[in-house]
Amino acid sequence: DAGVTQSPTHLIKTRGQHVTLRCSPISGHKSVSWYQQVLGQGPQFIFQYYEKEERGRGNFPDRFSARQFPNYSSELNVNALLLGDSALYLCASSRDAQETQYFGPGTRLLVL
Amino acid sequence: SQKIEQNSEALNIQEGKTATLTCNYTNYSPAYLQWYRQDPGRGPVFLLLIRENEKEKRKERLKVTFDTTLKQSLFHITASQPADSATYLCALPYGGGFKTIFGAGTRLFVKA
Repeated sequence: DAGVTQSPTHLIKTRGQHVTLRCSPISGHKSVSWYQQVLGQGPQFIFQYYEKEERGRGNFPDRFSARQFPNYSSELNVNALLLGDSALYLCASSRDAQETQYFGPGTRLLVL
Repeated sequence: SQKIEQNSEALNIQEGKTATLTCNYTNYSPAYLQWYRQDPGRGPVFLLLIRENEKEKRKERLKVTFDTTLKQSLFHITASQPADSATYLCALPYGGGFKTIFGAGTRLFVKA
């Protein structure tokens, strides 16, 4: 079975721009979570979606938003990019909202 | 707020020895705790989950303990190999299990 996939793998944007990151979960998984990982730190929780509804939100500004589609894939949107948004963005899927998460390879975002 | 602490310094050990990594948490009573492995530039990979009513869990050369009184988990790799060199992350659920907090990780180097 295919694992979690994310696109694009790398992205370069400038300050003030908007970005959309995409994630396809493992087949049969209904929950998707998004994380931001800065070099040298652990992943920081951004959102969890289950059955197309937001179930958890981390301590991130409103510039960050997400949604989950009927096929359980998900998008993470970040508006008005700042230099500090440069990071590895990870998507993880799980069968249920409170089960073990399986991570994708991540999207590396660089904001100039 | 919940806080997780892992050995901030890298751990260097000789091949064949046992590596022991520590995860301490505060202000919290999690129902379970997870350990992940992360290689540079890649997403974390799930290794083990231990529940609050379990003292110890094993999987091949891996062993995890969970002391809810000390608020600590220990992660052991026996007969370590150079291929075990990676960053190891511990993670706890919070917010009703719909959010996850990760430690900063401990970098392990196994020398041949």
